[in-house]
Amino acid sequence: QLQLQESGPGLVKPSETLSLSCSVSGGFISSSSYYWGWIRQPPGKGLEWIGSIYYSGSAYYNPSLKSRVTISVDTSNNQFSLKLTSLTAADTAVYYCARRSPELIFDSWGQGTLVTVSS
Amino acid sequence: DFQMTQSPSTLSASVGDRVTITCRASQSISSWLAWYQQKPGKAPKVLIYKASSLESGVPPRFSGNGSGTEFTLTISSLQPDDFATYYCQQYNSGFTFGPGTKVDI
Repeated sequence: QLQLQESGPGLVKPSETLSLSCSVSGGFISSSSYYWGWIRQPPGKGLEWIGSIYYSGSAYYNPSLKSRVTISVDTSNNQFSLKLTSLTAADTAVYYCARRSPELIFDSWGQGTLVTVSS
Repeated sequence: DFQMTQSPSTLSASVGDRVTITCRASQSISSWLAWYQQKPGKAPKVLIYKASSLESGVPPRFSGNGSGTEFTLTISSLQPDDFATYYCQQYNSGFTFGPGTKVDI
């Protein structure tokens, strides 16, 4: 059974860069037709797609975040990562990693990790 | 940019009720719409994709309908496990979620 697990700091200072990783087990990140993505959810609010990546390294991003986001993939360690720069309090959220299926839906999710931006 | 709206924002219902949630897109998204269920403290779970296709393992009391700009999610007979927040999501261009509909007692 596919499992995804986010890891990274729970507290980051304003203006700094957030780095999160997502480890994939029970399946290969290099599986064809699947993309891997990041979605976030501010406390008590709705969901926002951040971006997605293919195992080849081809990535695409939410235009509203594109200037601050980089998603990368490490097939040798079966994981992918998120970097988000110039953090503000508005970036405080639960960050989820997820798999995007060939049907273009997010069919498998990590449990999520809360990131708080505060000095 | 695609904007998604949902109505109602909150829905009070009882076990056994038929429940319908509406999702509207700011422009046509054909049938590129999914529905997710999220419970407190948990990741979302996909229920419906391509507007009306039931995801594997999802009970048949869930159904989706619509195309273009207006879509519905119907729960034919609400069960205790169904009290949750429901989100629609377009994937015609990128991915945009609706604001959510909370179904409570």
